[in-house]
Amino acid sequence: AQSVTQLDSHVSVSEGTPVLLRCNYSSSYSPSLFWYVQHPNKGLQLLLKYTSAATLVKGINGFEAEFKKSETSFHLTKPSAHMSDAAEYFCVVTLGPNQFYFGTGTSLTVIP
Amino acid sequence: DVKVTQSSRYLVKRTGEKVFLECVQDMDHENMFWYRQDPGLGLRLIYFSYDVKMKEKGDIPEGYSVSREKKERFSLILESASTNQTSMYLCASRPVVPGRNSPLHFGNGTRLTVT
Repeated sequence: AQSVTQLDSHVSVSEGTPVLLRCNYSSSYSPSLFWYVQHPNKGLQLLLKYTSAATLVKGINGFEAEFKKSETSFHLTKPSAHMSDAAEYFCVVTLGPNQFYFGTGTSLTVIP
Repeated sequence: DVKVTQSSRYLVKRTGEKVFLECVQDMDHENMFWYRQDPGLGLRLIYFSYDVKMKEKGDIPEGYSVSREKKERFSLILESASTNQTSMYLCASRPVVPGRNSPLHFGNGTRLTVT
């Protein structure tokens, strides 16, 4: 079975401090993994993607994620949080054309 | 950049009405999707289309139908709207790239309220 687990439903950080949003997956095959961000009343925007090339993936807005096969993890990080980073973040795994498995989301709050 | 446009941001409809949600993408993507998003339930797939006139049911197709007469447009139809269909509806598209799992590109969503 395939699934994705976001370990924290809510994360709060102070502006200027690092961000860590955790994601673990289970898959029988080599997956493709994505992180999306959703601002209030908006659609999901692609932050970054892992598709079996480099394990450290850089995305937009200073975010990056590292694919660790041994730990089945794909955690999202950013060195310094900005107020505009406050949003909902989704980890997604896919194995085929219509097989997208979404995590339940992590709500990020940035404290000024 | 890929643009996925959903025709309405907010809709208010009455119970029993027939509702059309329209989605257009401008990048010639083969695959298109309709999801609904509800608090605590995440994103759930309603229907998927892998090409013109081709469709497959997702996880929650009951009460919905879809139409894809042209490659760029994918319509979600609520034949007789009910209050439990009040939700955020998200359209997405993706290209078919042989040997690769390309990501979904989402529209801004339509927040539908059925009263």
